[in-house]
Amino acid sequence: GQNIDQPTEMTATEGAIVQINCTYQTSGFNGLFWYQQHAGEAPTFLSYNVLDGLEEKGRFSSFLSRSKGYSYLLLKELQMKDSASYLCAPMDSNYQLIWGAGTKLIIKP
Amino acid sequence: GAVVSQHPSRVICKSGTSVKIECRSLDFQATTMFWYRQFPKKSLMLMATSNEGSKATYEQGVEKDKFLINHASLTLSTLTVTSAHPEDSSFYICSARDSGQVDQETQYFGPGTRLLVL
Repeated sequence: GQNIDQPTEMTATEGAIVQINCTYQTSGFNGLFWYQQHAGEAPTFLSYNVLDGLEEKGRFSSFLSRSKGYSYLLLKELQMKDSASYLCAPMDSNYQLIWGAGTKLIIKP
Repeated sequence: GAVVSQHPSRVICKSGTSVKIECRSLDFQATTMFWYRQFPKKSLMLMATSNEGSKATYEQGVEKDKFLINHASLTLSTLTVTSAHPEDSSFYICSARDSGQVDQETQYFGPGTRLLVL
């Protein structure tokens, strides 16, 4: 079957760094997306990794290891507005995104 | 770029009525759009994949006759919830892929439509 494993909730301090891990199992693989979803809102696109390695985009970086079925999202210089759910969504062989419940990130002052 | 709009953002209707939700890609063309439903604190659930000029592909367990999808142009897809019931109350979100991008796989989401059926 297809599944995604992410921590349900994480807490971090404003200004700090946090890493959100994601392991996945899919039928085929065509890349992995990270989305941010604030409460009551739709997801917004953060990153897309299709090759192994680290992709950096401002304060956010995303890493992928296809052989390990593993990805992480790294958030630096945390701000209060980063409080949200972070969704790891791998794409299977049919180019469909597989969604889990995401990780709720709580930022404390 | 890659802006997707949805209308209405919020709708309250009586049980038995039909509700139409529009999804538009504002600054790009989208051959493929997706319709999701999300219940509180739950993951996104794909309902159907909407393809311009052809019939939508529905996920298992989603009733085609209840959730009518029309994708008549490269920038507009509509979802009509027919004979809505209280259990259809949910957050409906559409997404679209930019057909003109080299990386065509990224889905850009609309802001969502909150439906409440009384």
